[in-house]
Amino acid sequence: GQNIDQPTEMTATEGAIVQINCTYQTSGFNGLFWYQQHAGEAPTFLSYNVLDGLEEKGRFSSFLSRSKGYSYLLLKELQMKDSASYLCAVTGGGNKLTFGTGTQLKVEL
Amino acid sequence: DGGITQSPKYLFRKEGQNVTLSCEQNLNHDAMYWYRQDPGQGLRLIYYSQIVNDFQKGDIAEGYSVSREKKESFPLTVTSAQKNPTAFYLCASSITSGRDHNEQFFGPGTRLTVL
Repeated sequence: GQNIDQPTEMTATEGAIVQINCTYQTSGFNGLFWYQQHAGEAPTFLSYNVLDGLEEKGRFSSFLSRSKGYSYLLLKELQMKDSASYLCAVTGGGNKLTFGTGTQLKVEL
Repeated sequence: DGGITQSPKYLFRKEGQNVTLSCEQNLNHDAMYWYRQDPGQGLRLIYYSQIVNDFQKGDIAEGYSVSREKKESFPLTVTSAQKNPTAFYLCASSITSGRDHNEQFFGPGTRLTVL
C-alpha cells in the first residue's frame, strides 16, 4: 500500500523561505511529484524527483531522499500568490499517482 | 491552445439521480484519469484509462462508471449507488511513455452537489 504524510497547514511571511515536508511509505517507488493547487482550481505541476538530491527551479526547489522516504519543497522569496495547497504525490510504476492530503500554505504580510 | 476541459464547473443533482461529468482533452495524451477531492483528504483515484477501450478501477471506484470510446474523451458517471457523491471531481491526462516522467495535466474540475 501507499502512505504519504504532509503537514496539514503552514503559515509564513512574505519574502521568507518555507520548507514543506513529505514522507512516504510505499510498496513501489519510481518518483515523487509536487503540485500546487489554488482553492477551487486545478493542480499544476511544480517538480518531479526520481534521484536523490536537490532540483532547483527558480524560487522553488525540491529535494528527495529515497533511502529515508522523504522529500521537501522549498519556496524562497515568498509572495502572496504562493498561498495555496501543495500536494505531494508518489508514482510506484505505470502512470498512477498516489497523493498526500496536501499542505495548505498561508503567506502573510 | 491544447488543454483539458471539464464541464460544467458547478453541477447540482437530486439524490438518486445518475449524473455524467464530461472530460475532453486535445493534448493527444493516451492516459486519462478521474480523481475525487474532499476537504482534508487530498486526491483519490476513481478510474483511469491508459488506452482507448480500456480502463481500470482506482482506489474508490464503487458507485462510479466510465467509458473510453475516443482518445479525447473520458466521461465519468456518478450513479445512485455512490453513497456520498458531493465532491470536487478532477480529470487529468498524461502521455504514457517516452519520457523520464509523465506528469499529469489537470482540468479545471467540476464541483458536484447532490441535494
